[in-house]
Amino acid sequence: QSALTQPASVSGSPGQSITISCTGSSSDVGHFYLVSWYQQHPGKAPKVLISEVNKRPSGVSDRFSGSKSGNTASLTISGLQAEDEADYYCCSYASSRVIFGGGTKLTVL
Amino acid sequence: QVQLVESGGGAVQPGGSLKLSCAASGFAFSNYGLHWVRQAPGKGLQWVAAITYDGSNKFYVESVKGRFSISRDKSKNTLFLQMDSLRTEDTAIYYCATDGHPTVTTPHYWGQGTLVSVSS
Repeated sequence: QSALTQPASVSGSPGQSITISCTGSSSDVGHFYLVSWYQQHPGKAPKVLISEVNKRPSGVSDRFSGSKSGNTASLTISGLQAEDEADYYCCSYASSRVIFGGGTKLTVL
Repeated sequence: QVQLVESGGGAVQPGGSLKLSCAASGFAFSNYGLHWVRQAPGKGLQWVAAITYDGSNKFYVESVKGRFSISRDKSKNTLFLQMDSLRTEDTAIYYCATDGHPTVTTPHYWGQGTLVSVSS
């Protein structure tokens, strides 16, 4: 059961925008509109940022947005802030199982 | 607001058993699917198991099939994970999480986790 593929790290300066990709297959990301994104700060539990590809739960900043094209989903963070420095994980439903990406460490320069 | 509080973690020897609990509040427990997700020290997230809103369907990652069992008790608003034949590679923080739907899709709201340590 292969994990979804994410870049190990990305970086950006305050105010800039960054995009994190999440590549799966036609059996998961490409087949279902059920991709979520999570933010995890060190020592804390994950927090949902995006569900169902592009839906933001109540209370999540509109600086976070999600999209999907083919087998690849993306998370875009606009107007980077120091507090955005964290690990980010994508996740997809895949027919009776759930798979996560390996995680991306975001550094705010 | 949604609250999920895990308990039952601890240290156990290989081959041993543990039962994790997750007490839920702040939402309609019987209307949502539920998940267990784990994170080994310094590693990423790994989905472990999930159960539908009514407990009729259960799903597991291949590596725990036949060893772990997920269940829920609507009278106590509690999710469980029975873990048997534990291995050193099961060492991790175990999080419970709600789904956003009655069925199983992806985790939504998360608890703070409970640590399971398997070693001799």
